[in-house]
This record gives sequence, structure tokens and C-alpha cells, in this order.
Amino acid sequence: EVQLVESGGDLVQPGGSLRLSCTASGFRISDYYMDWVRQTPGKGLEWVGRSRNKNKSYTTEVAASVKGRFTISRDDSKNSLYLEMNSLKTEDTAVYYCAGDPTGDWGGYFDHWGQGALVTVSS
Amino acid sequence: DIQLTQSPSFLSASVGDRVTITCRASQGISSYLAWYHQKPGKAPKLLIYGASTLQSGVPSRFSGRGSGTEFTLTISSLQPEDFATYYCQHLNSYPITFGQGTRLEIK
Repeated sequence: EVQLVESGGDLVQPGGSLRLSCTASGFRISDYYMDWVRQTPGKGLEWVGRSRNKNKSYTTEVAASVKGRFTISRDDSKNSLYLEMNSLKTEDTAVYYCAGDPTGDWGGYFDHWGQGALVTVSS
Repeated sequence: DIQLTQSPSFLSASVGDRVTITCRASQGISSYLAWYHQKPGKAPKLLIYGASTLQSGVPSRFSGRGSGTEFTLTISSLQPEDFATYYCQHLNSYPITFGQGTRLEIK
């Protein structure tokens, strides 16, 4: 069975840092581009960023709203994806999903999703 | 950034109804569009990719059409499990964006 399990969600103060992890089972993330997507409570979906696979040298893309603050990395040997979040703002409060894209830079889509990790930024 | 605008934002329908949701892109995105639905407290689930390709395991009552800037998702005969929020998503360029969602509720 394919699963993505996020961990590391927590309550953190503005300006603080947090690291989310996402561990996959049932498929190899090495075959995938892996992304983070967030959802503000009661709102829609916002793409955060992606990690391309080894074929594309593990390069990353991030949304403008988190550029310079969030870093995406992966460890294919552990079948895991990570999101390092620094200088957190109250507007970063959201459920963070990891998601897998089997295709790539054009026409990509997410066929695997985790259950989500809640990050709350508040004093 | 490419904006995706879904219509309607809210839809009330009955079991057995045929419904169509539209997603319009602010610029052409070829067929690089996917559709998802999401139930409360759950992750989104992929329904359609490449504008019209049904994801494995998704019932055939779901269908997608379109290319360029206008796309539709049609559910031919609504089932109770279809009441959810529907999102479109593109990957024609970065950033990836999603539509604002269409909430489908039981009449």
C-alpha cells in the first residue's frame, strides 16, 4: 500500500523554525518529483515547493511567498522528503501535505498525498 | 503566475444529477491540468490528469475535457461519495497553482 506520512507539525512562535519530514512507503520517491502543498484552515490549496529527482540533480523550486525562508531536501536512501522552515510568520499557519508527482516539470500532477501535518505559528 | 478560476464556487445538486465544473486559466496551459476532490479532514485525491485522462481506480462517471484556457470536469451521475470540494491544478510553468475550489453539496 502506498503511503506518505508527514511528521514534525507543531505550535511555533513567529520568527521561529520548524522541520517537517515526510516518509514514503509502497513506492520509491527516487522515481518521483516530491512537493509540499499547504492548506490554510478553511481555505484552498497553495503549492509551497518541489524537489526534483536525481535525474534533475535534486534541484528545487519554491513559491515566492516562502523563498529565502523555506528549504526543501530529500534523502532517497530513507525514502524521505523534508521541509525546513525558518523565519516563520503567522500566515504560514496551515496543514502541510507532501505529495508525489510521477511525471516532472510539464503536465505534472500529484498521485500520492500524505495525511498532512498542522503547523501553527502563534505567540 | 497563471491564475486558475473555477466556476461555480458553490454547487448544490442531488444524487443522480449530472454536474459540470469549469476551470479557466489566465493563459494557455496546453493540456497540463489535473482535477482533485477533497473531503473534510482528508488529503486531496487525484481524479483526472492531462485534462482528460482518468486516474487509475477513479470511476468512469468522472470525465475531463479542454485545452488551452478552458477546462471542464463532469460527473455524469452524482453518487453520495462525490459530495466534496473540487480543485483544478496546472503545471505549465512555475509556480504550480490551484483553482480556488468548487464546493459540491447535497441539495
